Amino acid sequence: GAGVSQSPRYKVAKRGQDVALRCDPISGHVSLFWYQQALGQGPEFLTYFQNEAQLDKSGLPSDRFFAERPEGSVSTLKIQRTQQEDSAVYLCASSLAAGSAEAFFGQGTRLTVV
Amino acid sequence: KQEVTQIPAALSVPEGENLVLNCSFTDSAIYNLQWFRQDPGKGLTSLLLIQSSQREQTSGRLNASLDKSSGRSTLYIAASQPGDSATYLCAVPSGAGSYQLTFGKGTKLSVIP
Repeated sequence: GAGVSQSPRYKVAKRGQDVALRCDPISGHVSLFWYQQALGQGPEFLTYFQNEAQLDKSGLPSDRFFAERPEGSVSTLKIQRTQQEDSAVYLCASSLAAGSAEAFFGQGTRLTVV
Repeated sequence: KQEVTQIPAALSVPEGENLVLNCSFTDSAIYNLQWFRQDPGKGLTSLLLIQSSQREQTSGRLNASLDKSSGRSTLYIAASQPGDSATYLCAVPSGAGSYQLTFGKGTKLSVIP
């Protein structure tokens, strides 16, 4: 595709509900990243995939957060038993390769837990 | 741990003025630095990527410089326009060989017509 596509753009979840956020990276991009952005802050790293392999999940805040990229393209970030502190914008980025390549970001999914 | 600071946090200028946004980072073992723009409620748009071997990059009215040794980068915007109003973020790898990006909190720019 022309750019990184994320869906849904907005999600309101009741506390305790499970949510799934989708990311379609730029075609051919090997690397895929998820970031979390709280209001007024810069994005913070959650997890990184190289193709289908999740090479780093050190930024996931708890075991309620789970990400996958089973075929090396589309990725899903799942949050189980959502809590109010999970409210944030979740950004997906892709790049041609890890390291020196430019990262391209999607529009983000704004999650509000009520 | 890499830390990125952006000064000022907010800036308001009249249309047509030239301006400079600053970014500093603590770990200079980076291979690139990227400047992004974020409009309210939107994702990040990549503006410029500077490789560690470069000292500056230009795109239209934007010019970004990188001084690795001092841990600083500047984004220069010439002849500012109201459409430049947005939050500008800089990001660097979290450490030597890292693929994670560490971001500053951004500078919120308002260009007044």
